Parts: sequence; C-alpha cells; structure tokens
Amino acid sequence: NAGVMQNPRHLVRRRGQEARLRCSPMKGHSHVYWYRQLPEEGLKFMVYLQKENIIDESGMPKERFSAEFPKEGPSILRIQQVVRGDSAAYFCASSPAEETDGYTFGSGTRLTVV
Amino acid sequence: AQTVTQSQPEMSVQEAETVTLSCTYDTSESNYYLFWYKQPPSRQMILVIRQEAYKQQNATENRFSVNFQKAAKSFSLKISDSQLGDTAMYFCAFMKRSTDKLIFGTGTRLQVFP
Repeated sequence: NAGVMQNPRHLVRRRGQEARLRCSPMKGHSHVYWYRQLPEEGLKFMVYLQKENIIDESGMPKERFSAEFPKEGPSILRIQQVVRGDSAAYFCASSPAEETDGYTFGSGTRLTVV
Repeated sequence: AQTVTQSQPEMSVQEAETVTLSCTYDTSESNYYLFWYKQPPSRQMILVIRQEAYKQQNATENRFSVNFQKAAKSFSLKISDSQLGDTAMYFCAFMKRSTDKLIFGTGTRLQVFP
C-alpha cells in the first residue's frame, strides 16, 4: 500500500509563473489536507478537501492560491503568479473518512521561486 | 484560537540517554487530540505518538512516551535510550476533534551524539 505520493519533490519557478503541486492520497483515503512549511517554522494548515469539495480553506491566501480534489486523479494545489515569499515546503496529508489515528503525510514538495 | 508552544528550539542528548521535549498548548476545548511528529532531514513527517484528551493514561510507543498534564495544558515527549536515528526536528501538534485541522508548534531540533 503506497503512502501519500507528492510530486514533484522539488520545483523551481521564476517569479510570475504558475506552480502546480500534485498529491495522490493513500488508497482508501478520501480526505486530503495541504500544509505549508516556511523555513525554520512548523507546518501551517492551508486547506482541507474531500472528493470534489472544499471543506475548510481558512488557511489559504485569498489570492493566487487554489486547490482541488477531483473525482478522478490527484489533488492539485495551484499557485498563480508566484512570488519569492511563496518559497516553502508544501505538504499533503490524507486520512480515511473516519479519522482516528492522525494523518499520513507525504514527503512534501519544495518550491523555490527565483 | 488554539496555540501550541515549544520553548526549546534545540536540544542535544548522548546516545542511550533519555531526553524530554516540552510542549504547552492553549485551548478552551475539552475534546481534542495531541500529537508528536518527527521530521528527519529527509523532510518526511512521521507520526511518533498520539494522545486523546479524554484518556488520562499517558500514551507510550516503544521508547517514546508522553507526560500529558491536561489541567496544566502540557504535553511533553520523553525519548528513552536515544539512538542516532532519533536526530530530527520534533513538532508538537493539536487537533480539535471536530475540525481535522492540525495546529503545529515551531519545533525542537534534537541532536543525538554518539
């Protein structure tokens, strides 16, 4: 049973470009969460999704950031017109419908904006 | 709003010795979970141990145990017989039961010396 798969592992974008980060949850997991980790800080919640629904996006910046979890395929975190301050590690986690044991995290995508 | 505080930015311990990492939190909730996650240099977030607030008994996982003091809102992690592979960042996290959202502390960097 593969874990949570994130790709790419590293992503470099120039200022103004778009970044697309992908997350495939563990088999049988229907809940996906995205977190951001700035250098030397803990992870900060961004968004919680279930299939085709955004449940909680209270941690998402109001502009340029969006997330989706379609019926088929991976969850996507999209950052438009990236700026230097978007440089961070972005983690995806997944859990089954009845979460009792905590999430399973992916290995993260490190985004560098140059 | 809930907050999690880890007051020790860095700790070190000699191999085979015991070390305790501190964590305090602030909440008005009565139904919640607490977690310790380990983040080695590989960046993977690994669940170390989990505690349910309504359980008075402290959680234990092999060499890892917690001291959960609900009234004091304290949740420290004890690592016994420290191993070189325990070298990592350790994050304490809080989850209100109904939200599925983790709130992390800023982490403690643990170095285990031979």
